[in-house]
Amino acid sequence: DQQVKQNSPSLSVQEGRISILNCDYTNSMFDYFLWYKKYPAEGPTFLISISSIKDKNEDGRFTVFLNKSAKHLSLHIVPSQPGDSAVYFCAARPGSQGNLIFGKGTKLSVKP
Amino acid sequence: EADIYQTPRYLVIGTGKKITLECSQTMGHDKMYWYQQDPGMELHLIHYSYGVNSTEKGDLSSESTVSRIRTEHFPLTLESARPSHTSQYLCASSEWTSGRTDTQYFGPGTRLTVL
Repeated sequence: DQQVKQNSPSLSVQEGRISILNCDYTNSMFDYFLWYKKYPAEGPTFLISISSIKDKNEDGRFTVFLNKSAKHLSLHIVPSQPGDSAVYFCAARPGSQGNLIFGKGTKLSVKP
Repeated sequence: EADIYQTPRYLVIGTGKKITLECSQTMGHDKMYWYQQDPGMELHLIHYSYGVNSTEKGDLSSESTVSRIRTEHFPLTLESARPSHTSQYLCASSEWTSGRTDTQYFGPGTRLTVL
């Protein structure tokens, strides 16, 4: 049973608009969440993270929101650029000593 | 920028061959990992290590083995490759600070194809 779910396999957005990628989780013990970006034939690149004690973290064009009561987090990219086209993975850590658990990813396509 | 390296980047081999995938990091991280990932699927943890002489099996059963003789080096070996081993193999590392796992940084991956 998947503990980290990314229910949208793909998302298409126009350049300059907002991209919103969603992630749901089932384990209330998750205390740290991360987003990674992955291009084909390359390894994932760390983008942004958020601790469970916060509800928002921002880094440039990237903002992550955490709603603990709904067990939901989202990544906002504003404005979206064609270079943002990649697969985005959500990951969660089940306690400070745990290993990350990844979702299946969402493929974002940003069209010029 | 993470300094973690994997070789080879691409490998095509025949069934029954023994292979070793190399992974090295220059960040001094104690904890290292191997993941297996197929298109459209999540990353599956197959091995990890807390430091020198430590190796642990991950969530996904794997016929591969690993060793950790030096902090910076974490090679993965398949004694007899099969077509079912065809996948992308990703190595990662993180700090292991006071027993807390921090953000993982990934290498570029090895795309393995077994014919």
